[in-house]
Formats: sequence, structure tokens, C-alpha cells
Amino acid sequence: QVQLVQSGAEVKKPGSSVKVSCKASGGTFSSYTISWVRQAPGQGLEWMGRIIPILGIANYAQKFQGRVTITADKSTSTAYMELSSLRSEDTAVYYCARQLPTSGGFDYWGQGTLVTVSS
Amino acid sequence: DIQMTQSPSSLSASVGDRVTITCRASQSISSYLNWYQQKPGKAPKLLIYAASSLQSGVPSRFSGSGSGTDFTLTISSLQPEDFASYYCQQSYSTPLFTFGPGTKVDIK
Repeated sequence: QVQLVQSGAEVKKPGSSVKVSCKASGGTFSSYTISWVRQAPGQGLEWMGRIIPILGIANYAQKFQGRVTITADKSTSTAYMELSSLRSEDTAVYYCARQLPTSGGFDYWGQGTLVTVSS
Repeated sequence: DIQMTQSPSSLSASVGDRVTITCRASQSISSYLNWYQQKPGKAPKLLIYAASSLQSGVPSRFSGSGSGTDFTLTISSLQPEDFASYYCQQSYSTPLFTFGPGTKVDIK
């Protein structure tokens, strides 16, 4: 059974950075892409970017270009999302999700990590 | 960028009702359209992929249709556990993926 387990909740100051991890088990980590999706309180889902672990290539939504870095460690089957220059609007639940290679649907999701940005 | 819209943004329905949610893309996305269900405090769950294929383990009362720019998600007979928010997502413009704004289904 595939599982994506994320790191715990974070409270950060404006201007700082946060790094969230997503550890995969039960599947072949390098065979799939991992995306990061966030959801602000009471809002919808927002795709941030993805990584192809086997290639180490990451792509980002234009909105987050320059502020987000997504990486993967194949040896530990873990993906990471680092967001810098945090502001209050970045307060959200951050999810990692595995993407099906043919349809592009996200079939497995992490449990979510709440990042709160507050002074 | 491809923009996704959904209608309605919310609806009230009763158990046993047939419910239809519409998703529209700003340009043709062929059948690269996926549907998710999300309950409060939980991660989204994939229901339908490639516009009309039922994800494993999803009840058959859920169905999807459409291609090009217009898509629908239908729940044939709404059950108590179906009260949730529903999102469409396009996967045509790899590697840039976008979600619709969501439709909240609540109890009438």
C-alpha cells in the first residue's frame, strides 16, 4: 500500500523559510512524479510544482517561481518543498501527491502539513 | 495558462438526489481532466481520471463525462458520505496543472 507521510506542522515568521518533507513507502518512488499542492484556509486547491525524482527535474507554477524549491532524495524516497520569503498569505495546508503517469491524476496524497505564518 | 471554472460553486441536495457538477476549461484539454472529492480536514481523493475512468475503489454512482472544454461529474444517487467539496483538475498542460475553484455539496 502506497503511503505518503509528511512532516509536522510549522509556525514561521514573515520573511523566513519553511521546508516540508514527504516520505513515500509501498511503491517505486522514482517511477512517479511528486507534486505539491496547497490549500489556504477555506480556499481551493493550488498546484505549486512537481519533481520527477528519477531525473531530478522540477517544474514550478509561475506564481511561485523564485520562491519555491522542490527536491527529492531517492535514497530515502523523500520529496521536499521549501518555500522562502514567507508572508501571511502563505498560511495554508501543504500536500504532497503522487501523480499517475498517463492521466496526470493525483492518486495518493500525504496527510497535509499546516504552515502558519505569523509575527 | 489554462483556466478552469466550475459550476455551481455550491449546491444543496438531499440523499438520493442526482447531482451534476460542471467543469469548463479555457481551451481544449482533450480528456485530461480529473475529479476529486475532499472532506473537511482531509486530503483530496481521486474519483475520476481521464474524464470518465473510475478510480479503483470509488463507488459506481460516481461518473464523469466530456472532452475538449466541457466536463461533468455526476453522482447518480447522493449518499450521506458524499457531502463534500469537489474539484476538477486539468493535466493537459504538462508540467503546469490547475484545479477548478471547487463545488461544495451540502445537505438540503
